[in-house]
Amino acid sequence: GDSVTQMEGPVTLSEEAFLTINCTYTATGYPSLFWYVQYPGEGLQLLLKATKADDKGSNKGFEATYRKETTSFHLEKGSVQVSDSAVYFCALSGGTNAGKSTFGDGTTLTVKP
Amino acid sequence: EPEVTQTPSHQVTQMGQEVILRCVPISNHLYFYWYRQILGQKVEFLVSFYNNEISEKSEIFDDQFSVERPDGSNFTLKIRSTKLEDSAMYFCASREGQTYNSPLHFGNGTRLTVT
Repeated sequence: GDSVTQMEGPVTLSEEAFLTINCTYTATGYPSLFWYVQYPGEGLQLLLKATKADDKGSNKGFEATYRKETTSFHLEKGSVQVSDSAVYFCALSGGTNAGKSTFGDGTTLTVKP
Repeated sequence: EPEVTQTPSHQVTQMGQEVILRCVPISNHLYFYWYRQILGQKVEFLVSFYNNEISEKSEIFDDQFSVERPDGSNFTLKIRSTKLEDSAMYFCASREGQTYNSPLHFGNGTRLTVT
């Protein structure tokens, strides 16, 4: 079945540092890839997505590029802010198990002023 | 912006009791899901629901679990006889269409505590 592997956390950065959270996936077919963010006490919300190879999703300064050759979808941001502190989830849908989305384990990011 | 709403936000119950978690998906969405999250980390798929029937369920979704869309707006998850290990955050989600390009829209969750 499908699977998503994220880099282990937690990640602690200083404000304005560069962020990378690695994500790789296993799926057959041509899944769509997503990053979701979860702020404390809230549900998951979509951060960005990419639906085919070489697509770049971007939102709020975050970017991720769908790399089919390396089956990766790494999340990056050039300069993080304290308000970016949250849990980040990589996910896919439309792969082997087309009817559901499969999530990575989540990476907790803490940004210190 | 339309949102998925879940009630209650927190439910405490004793082991062996029945609980019903309620969700109102976004009105024009057709696909509905329940996920759970333990210890604020891993998000686990429970069940998907379309056209008034379950389309897929996980191993977690055993005979103690059931879902229902009783009135065209609410979408409920029932746990018949709760166990301690059912303690988790339960998230309802909905998706607009059949294409998997469209993201899931999540509610803020119900924290279930089984004592």
